[in-house]
Amino acid sequence: AQSVTQLDSQVPVFEEAPVELRCNYSSSVSVYLFWYVQYPNQGLQLLLKYLSGSTLVKGINGFEAEFNKSQTSFHLRKPSVHISDTAEYFCAVISDTGRRALTFGSGTRLQVQP
Amino acid sequence: GAVVSQHPSWVICKSGTSVKIECRSLDFQATTMFWYRQFPKQSLMLMATSNEGSKATYEQGVEKDKFLINHASLTLSTLTVTSAHPEDSSFYICSATLAGSTDTQYFGPGTRLTVL
Repeated sequence: AQSVTQLDSQVPVFEEAPVELRCNYSSSVSVYLFWYVQYPNQGLQLLLKYLSGSTLVKGINGFEAEFNKSQTSFHLRKPSVHISDTAEYFCAVISDTGRRALTFGSGTRLQVQP
Repeated sequence: GAVVSQHPSWVICKSGTSVKIECRSLDFQATTMFWYRQFPKQSLMLMATSNEGSKATYEQGVEKDKFLINHASLTLSTLTVTSAHPEDSSFYICSATLAGSTDTQYFGPGTRLTVL
């Protein structure tokens, strides 16, 4: 079994400030890691993913995340946020064996203020 | 590429009626589709995994006779909520994986179901 923990339910930040959204996972097998963004009343859009290779992954909209196996973390970062980044962000994992269904964290609401 | 659509985007129905939601992969073939449910201000919970041409695999606690899933082609999966009740009101989201790929899921825009 696997699980995903997003410790911060809400992260308020001012425009142009840096932000980090935290994600930790637990799994007995190797996993693939994902960050998705959800705008109000919409489905999910893939921001970035880690499958293998370089632990620093760059995604769309200026976001990046770093996979840290020893700390079982996959934190999402952006050096300078915009108002348009206000949304719900979900961290998710898939185990590299067995079922292919995503296990999601509880989500973090990023609120960018002017 | 890799666009997934859902229809309808929202639906309101009376208690006791059935509602069908369609999930289509528009520009790719999807061997596997997933159905999720999301309650307000909560995360997505997997309901079932649907493979083309075979019976869906339901998660524990999800009633297969209430949530009927059909995946008759590589581009279409349907979820029918039978005898809907107010507690079934939720945001239903489907996703699909590319044939030959098993990691990235592409999500539909979701369907808001309100049962009166």
